[in-house]
Amino acid sequence: GAGVSQSPSNKVTEKGKDVELRCDPISGHTALYWYRQSLGQGLEFLIYFQGNSAPDKSGLPSDRFSAERTGGSVSTLTIQRTQQEDSAVYLCASSLVGGGATDEQFFGPGTRLTVL
Amino acid sequence: GQQLNQSPQSMFIQEGEDVSMNCTSSSIFNTWLWYKQEPGEGPVLLIALYKAGELTSNGRLTAQFGITRKDSFLNISASIPSDVGIYFCAGRRNAGKSTFGDGTTLTVKP
Repeated sequence: GAGVSQSPSNKVTEKGKDVELRCDPISGHTALYWYRQSLGQGLEFLIYFQGNSAPDKSGLPSDRFSAERTGGSVSTLTIQRTQQEDSAVYLCASSLVGGGATDEQFFGPGTRLTVL
Repeated sequence: GQQLNQSPQSMFIQEGEDVSMNCTSSSIFNTWLWYKQEPGEGPVLLIALYKAGELTSNGRLTAQFGITRKDSFLNISASIPSDVGIYFCAGRRNAGKSTFGDGTTLTVKP
């Protein structure tokens, strides 16, 4: 497709289980971002990948959260031993170059995670 | 935590009215961005501002980058029902992540 796609669109899991969320960026975009949006809140930065550089993991809230980006394209966000406070919408975005003031981020529709 | 203060938190207006919302920060950003988010979707960029003092329009939308680089406002003129949604400001210093405000929820009554 032409835009950023994410799967699944909804995920319900039990506390303590691991989950994997997938993001397919726009083809040709070198930068990829993960954000978390809790109900009624703005977006909270989690992690940023730019080309082959080491990712900026400064927003990951705990060591239960990790992300990979394989082959410079698809990314997977993994949450281990999920907790109820992990419930949120997880948004992925990609941008063409990831650098410079004018680089626009395009967002996917998000994955709504509910931890029971 | 969030570094941007966005206000108002919500607005209920009549169709045809003008809307104004703003964001302030305790620190400087090099780029200010305004997004709109509709239910079940990710945010969509409305206006991007790159220079202090810059005033930019996009149709009925106008946004300004404050001189101090610590604030920005967004105005919507002659609102219509399809303007309904959540509007977010975001600041960016350099490449990479943006810092988002908590959003302004806009309701437009026909």
